Amino acid sequence: QSALTQPPSVSGSPGQSVTISCTGTNTDVGRYNRVSWYQQPPGTAPKLMIYEVTNRPSGVPDRFSGSKSGNTASLTISGLQAEDEADYYCSSYTSSSVVFGGGTKLTVL
Amino acid sequence: EVLLLASGGGLVQPGGSLRLSCAASGFSFSNYAMNWVRQVPGKGLEWVSFISGGGGTTNYADSVKGRFTISRDNSKNTLHLQMNSLRAEDAAVYYCAKCRSGWELGYGMDVWGQGTTVTVSS
Repeated sequence: QSALTQPPSVSGSPGQSVTISCTGTNTDVGRYNRVSWYQQPPGTAPKLMIYEVTNRPSGVPDRFSGSKSGNTASLTISGLQAEDEADYYCSSYTSSSVVFGGGTKLTVL
Repeated sequence: EVLLLASGGGLVQPGGSLRLSCAASGFSFSNYAMNWVRQVPGKGLEWVSFISGGGGTTNYADSVKGRFTISRDNSKNTLHLQMNSLRAEDAAVYYCAKCRSGWELGYGMDVWGQGTTVTVSS
């Protein structure tokens, strides 16, 4: 159950777009379309932003989108806003368990 | 309003036991699978355990297998995590989280509790 690989940090200016990658293997991200993304502002519980690679829960702005190619999933945030500053985690199903990425800190400049 | 309220955290000595609980409200509890996820302050998320809506299927991370037991009481809308043989590396904030699915793991956790802190120290 090795963690998925995410960049430690990304940044962007308001209005810009950023993409956070999440690299796994052919036993997790590459094998299943059960990739989720979570947003966690400091001191709060995680919030589901994307499920099953591309789907947004009700209430999540359409500025957030997900995709996958091979063993790498991606979260793209367009039209960055100050409120998007947070830690972001990907997760994937793998063989009766779930594995998370190490997390990416998004800074809005 | 859909709510999860975790409780039961505290200070325990290495080798000791602790039982966490998570009270659910605002949704049909028995229709949804549940998880425990933990986080060392300042570190990343780690999935701990899963239980299906009916309680018949459970899964565990390798790091806790054989020491932790997840269970649920659907008559009381409550989820539990019995933690035995606790180690220093088990110290973390423990979150209960509701699955979008009733019986399968990995389809997203759409409601999270506020977390309860477990400290393992002598």
